[in-house]
Amino acid sequence: NAGVTQTPKFQVLKTGQSMTLQCAQDMNHEYMSWYRQDPGMGLRLIHYSVGAGITDQGEVPNGYNVSRSTTEDFPLRLLSAAPSQTSVYFCASMRSGQGNTIYFGEGSWLTVV
Amino acid sequence: KNQVEQSPQSLIILEGKNCTLQCNYTVSPFSNLRWYKQDTGRGPVSLTIMTFSENTKSNGRYTATLDADTKQSSLHITASQLSDSASYICVVSAAPTGGGNKLTFGTGTQLKVEL
Repeated sequence: NAGVTQTPKFQVLKTGQSMTLQCAQDMNHEYMSWYRQDPGMGLRLIHYSVGAGITDQGEVPNGYNVSRSTTEDFPLRLLSAAPSQTSVYFCASMRSGQGNTIYFGEGSWLTVV
Repeated sequence: KNQVEQSPQSLIILEGKNCTLQCNYTVSPFSNLRWYKQDTGRGPVSLTIMTFSENTKSNGRYTATLDADTKQSSLHITASQLSDSASYICVVSAAPTGGGNKLTFGTGTQLKVEL
């Protein structure tokens, strides 16, 4: 059981570069999301998707794009990396409905210099 | 604004001792409350989920309580082990759907268990 798989685990970018964080889940979950976790702050929602072809913005969407072409995959794109995007990124998935378990990936550590 | 506050921010206890972590929330309308354990360098892992009608829920040595009237929850850890050293995160969902986009995360309590 792979669960939620994120790649890469670590990445260093230069300011202005673009990159894609990959996320895949094998549980056939409708809901997928991306969070960032910064010191002293709770996880903050970047973008989410309630199903293939449907995405929406979360609390901190600026500078990020997402797409959901399949149920399994939900990549997060940084368009033009900035030092403020240095953070730990978590992908999560959940079966739709109340009270269901949220499954998180192992995280992607991104540093923008 | 929906908020989740956790206390204490950090805690050090001796192995074998019990401890209780607190979570106060202002999320409204309330759907459910989750506790997660996050080991250093790892993703959060679910411990418990409680809905409005549940007062307590256990998962091994972890017992969560919920008082929806006072909007408070606690996570009690019994007979702590070194492997309990982690950050414990309280997550509250807003109704009506309790969907993933309606989650408010606390900043976590950092627990360290020492010999």
